[in-house]
Amino acid sequence: GEDVEQSLFLSVREGDSSVINCTYTDSSSTYLYWYKQEPGAGLQLLTYIFSNMDMKQDQRLTVLLNKKDKHLSLRIADTQTGDSAIYFCAETDTGGFKTIFGAGTRLFVKA
Amino acid sequence: KAGVTQTPRYLIKTRGQQVTLSCSPISGHRSVSWYQQTPGQGLQFLFEYFSETQRNKGNFPGRFSGRQFSNSRSEMNVSTLELGDSALYLCASSPLGGVPGNTEAFFGQGTRLTVV
Repeated sequence: GEDVEQSLFLSVREGDSSVINCTYTDSSSTYLYWYKQEPGAGLQLLTYIFSNMDMKQDQRLTVLLNKKDKHLSLRIADTQTGDSAIYFCAETDTGGFKTIFGAGTRLFVKA
Repeated sequence: KAGVTQTPRYLIKTRGQQVTLSCSPISGHRSVSWYQQTPGQGLQFLFEYFSETQRNKGNFPGRFSGRQFSNSRSEMNVSTLELGDSALYLCASSPLGGVPGNTEAFFGQGTRLTVV
């Protein structure tokens, strides 16, 4: 079945770049997403990438997709303390009605 | 415009009871999806409703059910509660669901259910 895996924790210093990695199993995935969840809040869509793209850049965020290896990464440049949150990788099946999420990576940003 | 509203925000129930959670989507959104979030399992898809019909369902037992009303508001019901049902239940709304509608999915703050 479909599965999305990501490491559980990442700690970086303020100003450094953060790279959060994710692997997925469904080769028919159409959209791949990154969501951010701050404490006590719901999920907020950060960015997404179509499966036929290799890279997408959006201000401080860069998404890289290696479709052959089914590997997705999110790079946050100049990480700030406000970036501390849980980041979820997710993929949607071809129908797009069911989104599969990873367990989330908790990003700690040290001042 | 108002975001996705989930009520109640917090709930404590005892084993064996049943519970109903509510989700009001963003005005104009017709798709509502429900997720269970636990520290160990992450975010698990429960089901998705569109125009009062369940379109997709995750791998949860029949104790978990839902419905959607004509105004797109959705309820989720869990019967015969177990300790393991303690979780944050999130709902997400989007205009149409599906692709590319999922790119416009907005999440509520969730209902934290504690079963004792």
